[in-house]
Amino acid sequence: DIQMTQAPSSLSASVGDRVTITCRASQGINTYLAWFQQKPGKAPKSLIYAASSLQSGVPSKFSGSGSGTDFTLTISGLQPEDFATYYCHQYTSYPLTFGGGTKVEI
Amino acid sequence: EVQLVESGGGLVQPGGSLRLSCAASGFTFSDHYMDWVRQAPGKGLEWVARSRNKASGYTIEYAASVKGRFTISRDDSKNSLYLQMNSLKTEDTAVYYCARAAPHSGSYYFDCWGQGTLVTVSS
Repeated sequence: DIQMTQAPSSLSASVGDRVTITCRASQGINTYLAWFQQKPGKAPKSLIYAASSLQSGVPSKFSGSGSGTDFTLTISGLQPEDFATYYCHQYTSYPLTFGGGTKVEI
Repeated sequence: EVQLVESGGGLVQPGGSLRLSCAASGFTFSDHYMDWVRQAPGKGLEWVARSRNKASGYTIEYAASVKGRFTISRDDSKNSLYLQMNSLKTEDTAVYYCARAAPHSGSYYFDCWGQGTLVTVSS
C-alpha cells in the first residue's frame, strides 16, 4: 500500500497569511495526487487533481505542485472560511489512500 | 447540478447488516466510476470500494478491511449506487460518503461527494 504522510498535522495562521501543506508518498505516484478540503460536519470538497490542476469553481488562491513523492498545497491570502482540514490523496494504485489530514486554524 | 444523496445509515448491532444507497442526478451516471469512502468519528478518510462503469466491465475493487463482508453494486437504470454491508464490526462505525470519480490520464480522482450517511455499529 502507498502511505501518504502530511505535515504538519495542524497549524495556526492569521488572515492574509500564505500557508503551505506538504504531502509525501511512500513511493512514486507521478502526478496522481488530489487535495480535498473538509469543514467540520461537512463532506469533503475537491480542490485540486493531477497535483496542480484546479477543480472547476475553486478559487485561484489554492495551488498545488509536485511530482513523484513530494507535493505541496499552498493557500494564499488566508480567509476565515479557509478554516478546515485538508487531505491529500493518491489515486494511482489500489488501495486508494489518503493522508492523515492537516487542520488549519485561523 | 451534480448531486449525490446517500441514505440507509443507522444503528446496527455487531454482526448485523445494512444496505446503503446513493442516488445520483445531474450527470450521466452510467459513464462514471463510483466509490464509497468512509470516515470514522474524529478520524481521516478511508477508501472502501469502487465500481467501474460499463465501458470498464463493471469491475470492482475493495479495501482489504471490507473485502468479503461488503458488496458494492450499481443500477445504471436507477442512477443509483449501493453498498451492502454484512458482518458489521464496531470499527465499521463511520460516516459513509458516495463519491464520483473522474478520469485523469488513465486513473480516476474524486471530483464530487455526497453529504454522507452515518453508520453506527454498537450493541
